[in-house]
Amino acid sequence: EIVLTQSPGTLSLSPGERVTLSCRASQSLNSMYLAWYQQKPGQAPRLLIYGASSRATGIPDRFSGSGSGTDFTLTINRLEPEDFAVYYCQQYSNSLWTFGQGTKVEIK
Amino acid sequence: QVQLQGSGPGLVKPSQTLSLTCTVSGGSLSSGGYYWSWIRQHPGKGLEWIGHIYYTGSIYNNPSLKSRLTMSVDTSKNQFSLKLSSVTAADTAVYYCARLRSSNYYYGMDVWGQGTTVTVSS
Repeated sequence: EIVLTQSPGTLSLSPGERVTLSCRASQSLNSMYLAWYQQKPGQAPRLLIYGASSRATGIPDRFSGSGSGTDFTLTINRLEPEDFAVYYCQQYSNSLWTFGQGTKVEIK
Repeated sequence: QVQLQGSGPGLVKPSQTLSLTCTVSGGSLSSGGYYWSWIRQHPGKGLEWIGHIYYTGSIYNNPSLKSRLTMSVDTSKNQFSLKLSSVTAADTAVYYCARLRSSNYYYGMDVWGQGTTVTVSS
């Protein structure tokens, strides 16, 4: 089973800042199967990025994804107040979908 | 615009079977290229994929739950369902249904239901 490790666990930032979230896989992944989700308290997750770097429908261009192999990154340029949330990466391999443990982006 | 609405009992007794249904509106469950998924989230924790089902009935599930899991689709009602047997307190979670878009490429879980909170307790 491929394990996704997200870092850091929590980030304290101010609106307007740029943030980079890391997702590291225990084995090399097919980038097609790497996605990122945003979850706010009491809400279902929302798809942000699929295929490691493609934005989902309706996602602002301040969100971008990159990476390959075992290292993937979600970048948010100029944090907006509505971006404070928990972010999860997700992967598929060997007939199993798994998620990282999440990174919480909180207001400083 | 496709929407998903999960439903089912909020309280289940230990050793019993948890049963949830997800109703698809604004589109057809029988549309090719979509897998209908279940994901759960334990209180204060991360996300766990349970499994997903294609409209033809093909099932893909998490090996850790496979022995207790039953999934089905009812195309006439535009619904898909989950049954998890022999539940324990460890199955207490918010259960989400979601649509996984995949046809020669993986486009992510792009539509989610609101989540159904299930508590296992006597």
